[in-house]
Amino acid sequence: AQSVTQLGSHVSVSEGALVLLRCNYSSSVPPYLFWYVQYPNQGLQLLLKYTTGATLVKGINGFEAEFKKSETSFHLTKPSAHMSDAAEYFCAVMSPYSGAGSYQLTFGKGTKLSVIP
Amino acid sequence: GAGVSQSPSNKVTEKGKDVELRCDPISGHTALYWYRQSLGQGLEFLIYFQGNSAPDKSGLPSDRFSAERTGGSVSTLTIQRTQQEDSAVYLCASSTDRPPGEQFFGPGTRLTVL
Repeated sequence: AQSVTQLGSHVSVSEGALVLLRCNYSSSVPPYLFWYVQYPNQGLQLLLKYTTGATLVKGINGFEAEFKKSETSFHLTKPSAHMSDAAEYFCAVMSPYSGAGSYQLTFGKGTKLSVIP
Repeated sequence: GAGVSQSPSNKVTEKGKDVELRCDPISGHTALYWYRQSLGQGLEFLIYFQGNSAPDKSGLPSDRFSAERTGGSVSTLTIQRTQQEDSAVYLCASSTDRPPGEQFFGPGTRLTVL
């Protein structure tokens, strides 16, 4: 079974400050890892993903995340927050193996990011 | 191109009524997923379709929930005898059938059961 823990249901940062959203996972095999963003009344949009290869992954809107196997973490960062980054962020895992062919995502509870002007 | 669309965007129903939620995936995406997003439980997987078949229904919370997909395209999620705890946002996602294909999400249907 897989699980995802996002530390902090709500994070506030000042505009221009570093954004750090934490994600830890539990999985019996190294999973694929994803960060999604959800703006109010919208669906989820993929920010970035890690599958194999380079552990530092760059995504859209200046976000990046680093896969650390030893820490079972996949924290999301952005050097300088913009007002437009205010949204809810979800970390998710996917098992690379599936008997039924279902590659469903297992999500964390989400972190709501507020950006203070 | 068009993304994943869902209808209705909002649905208010009375306890005990049946509801149908519709999902139109991206053309050519063979995999389709339904998820539920609620305050208490977060985002939960409900069911997976590959073509018109549903090999993984493990997330459906009760036998009041069912889903079908026709023509390898449109999917309908049906909730019978709705209960207040069914109130949530129901999200549909589609992807290619090769992992880790990105799942593209629709805007969701917000269901409120009075």
